[in-house]
Amino acid sequence: AQSVTQLDSHVSVSEGTPVLLRCNYSSSYSPSLFWYVQHPNKGLQLLLKYTSAATLVKGINGFEAEFKKSETSFHLTKPSAHMSDAAEYFCVVSDGLNTGNQFYFGTGTSLTVIP
Amino acid sequence: DSGVTQTPKHLITATGQRVTLRCSPRSGDLSVYWYQQSLDQGLQFLIQYYNGEERAKGNILERFSAQQFPDLHSELNLSSLELGDSALYFCASSGEFQHSPLHFGNGTRLTVT
Repeated sequence: AQSVTQLDSHVSVSEGTPVLLRCNYSSSYSPSLFWYVQHPNKGLQLLLKYTSAATLVKGINGFEAEFKKSETSFHLTKPSAHMSDAAEYFCVVSDGLNTGNQFYFGTGTSLTVIP
Repeated sequence: DSGVTQTPKHLITATGQRVTLRCSPRSGDLSVYWYQQSLDQGLQFLIQYYNGEERAKGNILERFSAQQFPDLHSELNLSSLELGDSALYFCASSGEFQHSPLHFGNGTRLTVT
């Protein structure tokens, strides 16, 4: 069975400092992993995805994530936080079945950026 | 722009009423997913359709129903509405390939008064 655990419900960083949002997953298959961002009253936007090609995945807005199979982790990082990064972030695993993929969401991490 | 279109953007209705939310998936995507997001419940998966057939069910109430039509657009019907049904309802679509991501619409904000 697939599941996702986001280890922090809230993260607060100062502008210009690094961001780390943690995600652990459980998957019976070779997983597809995604990070989504949701700004207030907006839809969810795909930040990046891991699909078994490269373990370090680069996304939009300077975010990247590293797939570590041994640790079953897919943490999201950014070297320097910007005020516009304040949002809700969701880690998602897909079961990778091609007859209508199913997706499993973490409970989200709220990122606050302090000026 | 994700390519997923949801209408209407906002909906205000009274308790006991019935509403229909509409979703057009990205061109070529066969799967459509519905989610409910509220402050107290967070993001909840409701139901998934794949090429017209129900594929998976989540926390969908019996008062709610959905369908996917031959042209792949989908509708979510909410009936006997209660105050607690007030939420953001998102539609998402995904391609048929193994690593296809979800693409979300901008949501319909439902307010039940």
